[in-house]
Amino acid sequence: EAGVTQFPSHSVIEKGQTVTLRCDPISGHDNLYWYRRVMGKEIKFLLHFVKESKQDESGMPNNRFLAERTGGTYSTLKVQPAELEDSGVYFCASSQESTEAFFGQGTRLTVV
Amino acid sequence: AQSVAQPEDQVNVAEGNPLTVKCTYSVSGNPYLFWYVQYPNRGLQFLLKYITGDNLVKGSYGFEAEFNKSQTSFHLKKPSALVSDSALYFCAVRAFGFGNEKLTFGTGTRLTIIP
Repeated sequence: EAGVTQFPSHSVIEKGQTVTLRCDPISGHDNLYWYRRVMGKEIKFLLHFVKESKQDESGMPNNRFLAERTGGTYSTLKVQPAELEDSGVYFCASSQESTEAFFGQGTRLTVV
Repeated sequence: AQSVAQPEDQVNVAEGNPLTVKCTYSVSGNPYLFWYVQYPNRGLQFLLKYITGDNLVKGSYGFEAEFNKSQTSFHLKKPSALVSDSALYFCAVRAFGFGNEKLTFGTGTRLTIIP
C-alpha cells in the first residue's frame, strides 16, 4: 500500500512568487491534514479536511495560504505571494477515523 | 488549549544503554498520545500511541512509552539503544473525541546514539 506522497520534495522560490504543494493521501483515508515546521520549532497544525470539506482551518497563518481538496482525494496548498517567513517544511498527513495519522516525507520550501 | 513539552533538545546515549526521551502534555479531557520519529531526509514515521487501556504501550523498533496521568507524562523508552535509533523524535497529543483530530507537537528531541 502506498503511503502519503508529497510533491515537490524541495522548492526554492523568490519572495512574491507563487508555489503550490501537492499531497496524495493514503487511498481510502477521509482525513487529510497539513502541518508546517519552521526551522527548529515545533510542527504546527495548519488545517484538516474531511473528504472535500474543511473541518478545521484554525492554523492557517493568513489569507496568502489557500488549501483545496477537490473531489476528496489529493490536496493542494498554495502560497501566494510567498514571504520569507513562509520558509519551512510542509507536512501532509492522512488518517482513517480516530486512528494515528500517517505523514508524508514533507516539502521543504525556501523563500529567498 | 493543548500543549506538549519536550524539555531536552538533545539526548546523547551510549550504544547498548537504556534511553529515555521525555514528554509532558496538557490537554482538556482524556488524551491521545503519540510518538513520531524523523530519520534524516525522511518524513515523520509513527512509532506508537496511547489511546486507552494499559499504561505501557509498545511500538516499532523495540520502543515503548509509559502513560502517567498524574504526572501528565508520556516518556519514550528503549532498554538498549542502537546507533540506528539516532533521529529526531516528536511527541504529540490530541484531545479525545470526534472533531478533535488535530495534533499538537512538541519541539522535538534529537537523539544521538554514540557507538
